[in-house]
Amino acid sequence: DVKVTQSSRYLVKRTGEKVFLECVQDMDHENMFWYRQDPGLGLRLIYFSYDVKMKEKGDIPEGYSVSREKKERFSLILESASTNQTSMYLCASSLLAGAREQYFGPGTRLTVT
Amino acid sequence: AQTVTQSQPEMSVQEAETVTLSCTYDTSESNYYLFWYKQPPSRQMILVIRQEAYKQQNATENRFSVNFQKAAKSFSLKISDSQLGDTAMYFCAFRVSGSRLTFGEGTQLTVNP
Repeated sequence: DVKVTQSSRYLVKRTGEKVFLECVQDMDHENMFWYRQDPGLGLRLIYFSYDVKMKEKGDIPEGYSVSREKKERFSLILESASTNQTSMYLCASSLLAGAREQYFGPGTRLTVT
Repeated sequence: AQTVTQSQPEMSVQEAETVTLSCTYDTSESNYYLFWYKQPPSRQMILVIRQEAYKQQNATENRFSVNFQKAAKSFSLKISDSQLGDTAMYFCAFRVSGSRLTFGEGTQLTVNP
């Protein structure tokens, strides 16, 4: 089974702090994704990566950056957390070919106070 | 731009009955994949079922089946013999080219005993 893990289930940070969310997958997937999930808005793509050191902006990249130094690990960085970044963050991975269904981590609920 | 719409924010069904969740999408492409994902309370998002647009036959997975109407750009999910464990948020998603998925807003399904 594919396993996608995220470093924290719950996180509370203060406004202005730098925040790191880590995601690791164990199935040698080329693609990795970061989403935020908000009620009534579904999942919105922040960034994704299709290879090590490669990244592409999603629909809402402002205020975020990412890092992929190893194939299995994809980090989301909030350079200066703000209250409007309070949300559920989901990581996912997929193969680069075929149907490319995505496999999701358990999510990190981030609260910025 | 591709869009996915789930017009039912909440639905409920009695245990053992059948329920249908609606999803419509908009694209000018002819080849694409459609997915239904399930997110149980406080648990990981998992794939329920997928459909390749070039296949005329509707996909089925045990109690889950889809009604794929390509001309109408409709992709509904039918859950038969509903169980308490089916209570979850359900997301319809759509992939055209590349690896990005576009998600709908989600439908919260509650199965009542």
